Amino acid sequence: SQTIHQWPATLVQPVGSPLSLECTVEGTSNPNLYWYRQAAGRGLQLLFYSVGIGQISSEVPQNLSASRPQDRQFILSSKKLLLSDSGFYLCAWGLGTGSNGYTFGSGTRLTVV
Amino acid sequence: AQSVTQLGSHVSVSEGALVLLRCNYSSSVPPYLFWYVQYPNQGLQLLLKYTTGATLVKGINGFEAEFKKSETSFHLTKPSAHMSDAAEYFCAVINNYGQNFVFGPGTRLSVLP
Repeated sequence: SQTIHQWPATLVQPVGSPLSLECTVEGTSNPNLYWYRQAAGRGLQLLFYSVGIGQISSEVPQNLSASRPQDRQFILSSKKLLLSDSGFYLCAWGLGTGSNGYTFGSGTRLTVV
Repeated sequence: AQSVTQLGSHVSVSEGALVLLRCNYSSSVPPYLFWYVQYPNQGLQLLLKYTTGATLVKGINGFEAEFKKSETSFHLTKPSAHMSDAAEYFCAVINNYGQNFVFGPGTRLSVLP
């Protein structure tokens, strides 16, 4: 069966520090991968998506970047965190056009202090 | 372009009462529609989906939703609320043309004893 792993679960980082969040998928090949962010009291914001290794599309210009070094690995990074980067980050995967829905990871709560 | 609206950012019901969460969408092509549930500090879990066929779809935890094309709606219902239903609910739309999911802003459901 397919599973998605996301870590860490919680993270407290100082302003200006780097960030690396990792997401891996098991049990499927060639998934589409997604990074979403939820700010407090707000909905889901799509940050990046990838349809293949090395292929990254950015939905919102910001202080973050994403990479996909392997088929089932998706990394969210920042060189210097801002206070506004705080939020709940969710990784998700889907197949094809996504008509079967996306499967989400358990999320990372990032607090920038 | 697709969009999703959810009427009511916060809905409160008494335990045992009917749950009705509203979702309206706009899509220029036949949509696929989804409801997700999110418990605090967790990822999103798929409740149910409509792709084709029967317009009344049943999901997990006793929830169901009906696709009404004429009303462009996909409202979520449950006959009798349980305390464990308290969570955030997201409606989402996608089509079969390679566009990404569009999520509604979410509705927070509170269940009162």
